[in-house]
Amino acid sequence: KAGVTQTPRYLIKTRGQQVTLSCSPISGHRSVSWYQQTPGQGLQFLFEYFSETQRNKGNFPGRFSGRQFSNSRSEMNVSTLELGDSALYLCASSLYREGSEQFFGPGTRLTVL
Amino acid sequence: AQSVTQPDIHITVSEGASLELRCNYSYGATPYLFWYVQSPGQGLQLLLKYFSGDTLVQGIKGFEAEFKRSQSSFNLRKPSVHWSDAAEYFCAVPSSGGGADGLTFGKGTHLIIQP
Repeated sequence: KAGVTQTPRYLIKTRGQQVTLSCSPISGHRSVSWYQQTPGQGLQFLFEYFSETQRNKGNFPGRFSGRQFSNSRSEMNVSTLELGDSALYLCASSLYREGSEQFFGPGTRLTVL
Repeated sequence: AQSVTQPDIHITVSEGASLELRCNYSYGATPYLFWYVQSPGQGLQLLLKYFSGDTLVQGIKGFEAEFKRSQSSFNLRKPSVHWSDAAEYFCAVPSSGGGADGLTFGKGTHLIIQP
């Protein structure tokens, strides 16, 4: 079974631009979560989607948004990029049931200049 | 709110030596607990998980972890480390309610293996 895939793997943007990252979950997984990983803050939960609906959201500003499509693929968008948005963005998929483990993709490395 | 503490930022062990990585959690009920490993430039790979039942959990790559409710701990162990075990290790709990929601991670422990 193919794992979680994320595209692109690397991205360089400048301040003020916006960016869209994509995530394809493991086949059969309907829950997709997004995380931001930085050296200073570590791994932080952004949001989680199930059946095209955002179910949970972390403590991030409204510039961070996401969506999920009917095939469970998900995208996240960051508008008006700031230098502090430079991070590794990880996507994880899981079966939507209590205690399900999350399977992570390789991440997208975003650099904001 | 749920939280996870990994007290050791860095740990250095010699190849072939035993390993224990500490994890303490704060959780309102019986938690689901996870250990993940991250190699440089990679995503996270699940090593093992605790849901209920036997408090000693076996995982992949020869790792095990023991859930101790009285100490709110879920320490990761390996009897003999290999150079390939050098990586970042993260302990995690569900952010709330134990349902299928986001995970709260510890800050991670960077494992260095000495030859």
